[in-house]
Amino acid sequence: NAGVTQTPKFRVLKTGQSMTLLCAQDMNHEYMYWYRQDPGMGLRLIHYSVGEGTTAKGEVPDGYNVSRLKKQNFLLGLESAAPSQTSVYFCASRSPSGHYEQYFGPGTRLTVT
Amino acid sequence: EDQVTQSPEALRLQEGESSSLNCSYTVSGLRGLFWYRQDPGKGPEFLFTLYSAGEEKEKERLKATLTKKESFLHITAPKPEDSATYLCAVQASGTYKYIFGTGTRLKVLA
Repeated sequence: NAGVTQTPKFRVLKTGQSMTLLCAQDMNHEYMYWYRQDPGMGLRLIHYSVGEGTTAKGEVPDGYNVSRLKKQNFLLGLESAAPSQTSVYFCASRSPSGHYEQYFGPGTRLTVT
Repeated sequence: EDQVTQSPEALRLQEGESSSLNCSYTVSGLRGLFWYRQDPGKGPEFLFTLYSAGEEKEKERLKATLTKKESFLHITAPKPEDSATYLCAVQASGTYKYIFGTGTRLKVLA
């Protein structure tokens, strides 16, 4: 049982390049989330999904797109990377029942030069 | 506006020196308040969920408490392995979103 995994772990992009971050969970969770974590800012919600085929905007969605084609996967895309998107990105998932806690992946450290 | 404020930003303790971390919150109807531990270079790890004022949860040297305005994470006789950043988050009723505080960086010295 791997829990939540993220690919890649590290990435360096040049301004204007695009990339996709992959999040996968094997806990059969309905809800999935993408956050970014910056020093002094805490975790901020980018987008989230409450089920396969659904997505919604979070607190800081600009410059990002997401897709949830399969229940176990949640993809975060950057179409044209900017230095302001340099951050650590975390994916999380949770069950719709239970204690509402989220389970986080190990993170992706992205640098945009 | 829903908001979470954690204090102090950083805390250094000697091994065995008990202390408390604070999480103040404002939310339009609390569904749950969550504590997480985050080690450097890793994702947050779930510790506790608290649902209503007066509730307490314990795990080893950690005890979390909740009032209508704040939560405390009490650390009793800490050890160096308790060194980490502790995050607090709230979820409001009727929403799927979570609001996180900026965390308290705890360092326990041997």
